[in-house]
Amino acid sequence: DAGITQSPRHKVTETGTPVTLRCHQTENHRYMYWYRQDPGHGLRLIHYSYGVKDTDKGEVSDGYSVSRSKTEDFLLTLESATSSQTSVYFCAISESGGATDTQYFGPGTRLTVL
Amino acid sequence: QKEVEQDPGPLSVPEGAIVSLNCTYSNSAFQYFMWYRQYSRKGPELLMYTYSSGNKEDGRFTAQVDKSSKYISLFIRDSQPSDSATYLCAMNPGNNRKLIWGLGTSLAVNP
Repeated sequence: DAGITQSPRHKVTETGTPVTLRCHQTENHRYMYWYRQDPGHGLRLIHYSYGVKDTDKGEVSDGYSVSRSKTEDFLLTLESATSSQTSVYFCAISESGGATDTQYFGPGTRLTVL
Repeated sequence: QKEVEQDPGPLSVPEGAIVSLNCTYSNSAFQYFMWYRQYSRKGPELLMYTYSSGNKEDGRFTAQVDKSSKYISLFIRDSQPSDSATYLCAMNPGNNRKLIWGLGTSLAVNP
């Protein structure tokens, strides 16, 4: 998985609790992305980062926040988890963010919100 | 109507068959087209990308783009059980960093 790790790999939590997912890369790529993948919806971009402390929203950013204090780490926080946020979350990285730039994906985090 | 339409399948074929996977799109501004493969419980990985109409070959895989019909295809020749995966198309108009994804087609190649 191209030097990308995600933690935790599995998590079960309760509605209303905060949750933080971590993505760590060893490739020194500038761009990092958080996606969620759900049946019937496919991959949807939540937030992305184009450098340390530089982030922007994707198409489904409500209820999520991100932070990137180091090149190698990109954190996704669910402020108050809801059952609709039960999903598989993927982190991806790319070198330059260009249109033809390959996105490399991590192994995913399976999150269940009860 | 979604910007990218992809039949989710599932598609089941015998080993050795030729497989055709397709996506249609509505935005004529799309210029870059990718196919990603995703094995069960893994992240997607890039298989091929093209940026013009026509065909591009890589081993048993051929990516085809028909911009006039807004239609892209991925052909797999001599399909193998190891090709069993979900295949996602993705595209980009070229002026931003956000890929637009199809839902993915689940393929099973039976020995």
